[in-house]
Amino acid sequence: AQSVAQPEDQVNVAEGNPLTVKCTYSVSGNPYLFWYVQYPNRGLQFLLKYITGDNLVKGSYGFEAEFNKSQTSFHLKKPSALVSDSALYFCAVRDGRSGNTGKLIFGQGTTLQVKP
Amino acid sequence: DGGITQSPKYLFRKEGQNVTLSCEQNLNHDAMYWYRQDPGQGLRLIYYSQIVNDFQKGDIAEGYSVSREKKESFPLTVTSAQKNPTAFYLCASSVGSGTEAFFGQGTRLTVV
Repeated sequence: AQSVAQPEDQVNVAEGNPLTVKCTYSVSGNPYLFWYVQYPNRGLQFLLKYITGDNLVKGSYGFEAEFNKSQTSFHLKKPSALVSDSALYFCAVRDGRSGNTGKLIFGQGTTLQVKP
Repeated sequence: DGGITQSPKYLFRKEGQNVTLSCEQNLNHDAMYWYRQDPGQGLRLIYYSQIVNDFQKGDIAEGYSVSREKKESFPLTVTSAQKNPTAFYLCASSVGSGTEAFFGQGTRLTVV
């Protein structure tokens, strides 16, 4: 069965410092991995994805994520955090074996708090 | 503008009533999804549909029903059998398994 874990409910970081939001996953086949951000009372916005290829993927707003197959992880990173990055972040996975489209499963979410 | 439209933004339901949440997309996406969001629990999949006239239960389908008569539309009915319906409901769509899902702005349902 597919599953996603985000082990930290909240991450606190000072503005200008690097940030990491952790994600681990479990799928039977090849994973398709995604990161989304949510601001209060809004829908989710797509940040980046890993399908195949280079393990380091770059996305919107200066975010990047590293796919690590041996550790089944897909951590979200940013070299220098901004106060405006404060939001709720979700990791998601889809099993690449499941045909043209399939279940998209989300983690519990991690609240990122960037302090000035 | 292309996108996903959910309506209404806020919805109040009396105990024992069925209510239907609307989700429309003009992105020509094949797959559509309904998620429920509760504080501290992330997004949980209710139903998803990969093509018209076909849909599958997600992890928490009990007390909900859906239809997919048109590619653009995937309405969700919250029935009286759903004992704790107060939540934020999100609809999404995607074109394929390797592509990202696009989300609507959500409907907040409250039981009064």
